[in-house]
Amino acid sequence: ELKVEQNPLFLSMQEGKNYTIYCNYSTTSDRLYWYRQDPGKSLESLFVLLSNGAVKQEGRLMASLDTKARLSTLHITAAVHDLSATYFCAVSNTGNQFYFGTGTSLTVIP
Amino acid sequence: DAGVTQSPTHLIKTRGQQVTLRCSPKSGHDTVSWYQQALGQGPQFIFQYYEEEERQRGNFPDRFSGHQFPNYSSELNVNALLLGDSALYLCASSYTGQGRYSNQPQHFGDGTRLSIL
Repeated sequence: ELKVEQNPLFLSMQEGKNYTIYCNYSTTSDRLYWYRQDPGKSLESLFVLLSNGAVKQEGRLMASLDTKARLSTLHITAAVHDLSATYFCAVSNTGNQFYFGTGTSLTVIP
Repeated sequence: DAGVTQSPTHLIKTRGQQVTLRCSPKSGHDTVSWYQQALGQGPQFIFQYYEEEERQRGNFPDRFSGHQFPNYSSELNVNALLLGDSALYLCASSYTGQGRYSNQPQHFGDGTRLSIL
């Protein structure tokens, strides 16, 4: 079974600082997704990464994928309070089944 | 354009009872997946429906069953409820079309919060 690990599980960072969330997965996959979940809310799609070396950026968030290392990163630049949420990576196999990581709970402190 | 809608939003049941959760996919989507999200965990895949058939199943017992209707909406049924079934149940939809698989992200509903007493 495909396993997805994220670290850190909890992240508290000051506004204006940079940080990276890591997502490792156990078997070959070339489709990786990042989602955001606010407390009590559903999951919102952030990025879709479909090939080795793919990089996507939206505002203060940038995601990348290294399929050879089975690693994706979500980089946060100059964090602001509005980015406080739980971030999940998910890997999809050829059957379209999504395997989610345990999530990274991000708190941005003023 | 309505997104994925789920009902009910909250539900309280007792051990041994049965429950049915409902999902309407986003307009234009034909594939529905169900996930269980326990508190503090990531969503766990239960199963996926496409063309009214269960296409793939995760590691869940037979107490969990589902159905997809011709209009692509779906139901999740859970029998003989256990305390451990308490969780947020998420429905996600996507478009497969004639291809076997999709690269598009799944769109999630707001979920049904199921509490077992």
